Amino acid sequence: EPEVTQTPSHQVTQMGQEVILRCVPISNHLYFYWYRQILGQKVEFLVSFYNNEISEKSEIFDDQFSVERPDGSNFTLKIRSTKLEDSAMYFCASSDQGRYGYTFGSGTRLTVV
Amino acid sequence: DQQVKQNSPSLSVQEGRISILNCDYTNSMFDYFLWYKKYPAEGPTFLISISSIKDKNEDGRFTVFLNKSAKHLSLHIVPSQPGDSAVYFCAASGNYGGSQGNLIFGKGTKLSVKP
Repeated sequence: EPEVTQTPSHQVTQMGQEVILRCVPISNHLYFYWYRQILGQKVEFLVSFYNNEISEKSEIFDDQFSVERPDGSNFTLKIRSTKLEDSAMYFCASSDQGRYGYTFGSGTRLTVV
Repeated sequence: DQQVKQNSPSLSVQEGRISILNCDYTNSMFDYFLWYKKYPAEGPTFLISISSIKDKNEDGRFTVFLNKSAKHLSLHIVPSQPGDSAVYFCAASGNYGGSQGNLIFGKGTKLSVKP
């Protein structure tokens, strides 16, 4: 069964450093998403991406965050200057039907120290 | 502002019995609801969904019921199996001005099915 692949599975970074979280969506999917889950809290929407541009973003997705689909296969989330409160599981998802059929990756656990 | 609420953080059920997981929502613009299952160290896995034009959707052992007037949905698992032990998330979406279909998740209910 097709999968959404996320790398790395765990990333530890110093506060203030830039991090890039990588995702390889399912190949024929057109809609891409990032969600995050702070430990013990709910999964929260960050951003959706369609047709090579951001289609929607939450208030969490401020100027420190950016997304890119650099080569037609990868979908990346960049955090420019990490804060302690950015520590969370970050899930990438892709869909060929928009909101009707998400497939999530296994997540990247980001720890900011 | 919790638009999707799962008020039971945990549920324990005996193998073979019915598991009922509940979810309430507040936004009347939601028109599509989903249940996801999540094991530790994995991403959420889609389980079953229901459109607001229906009140029931069934897939094998899993049935989702939607009560629009009460803004309530539930997931029934019959019979429950030990492999069903996981965290279950309710999610909702709506296609309206302020949203293009991102999912709003509840906090999850941890289901434990005892042999």
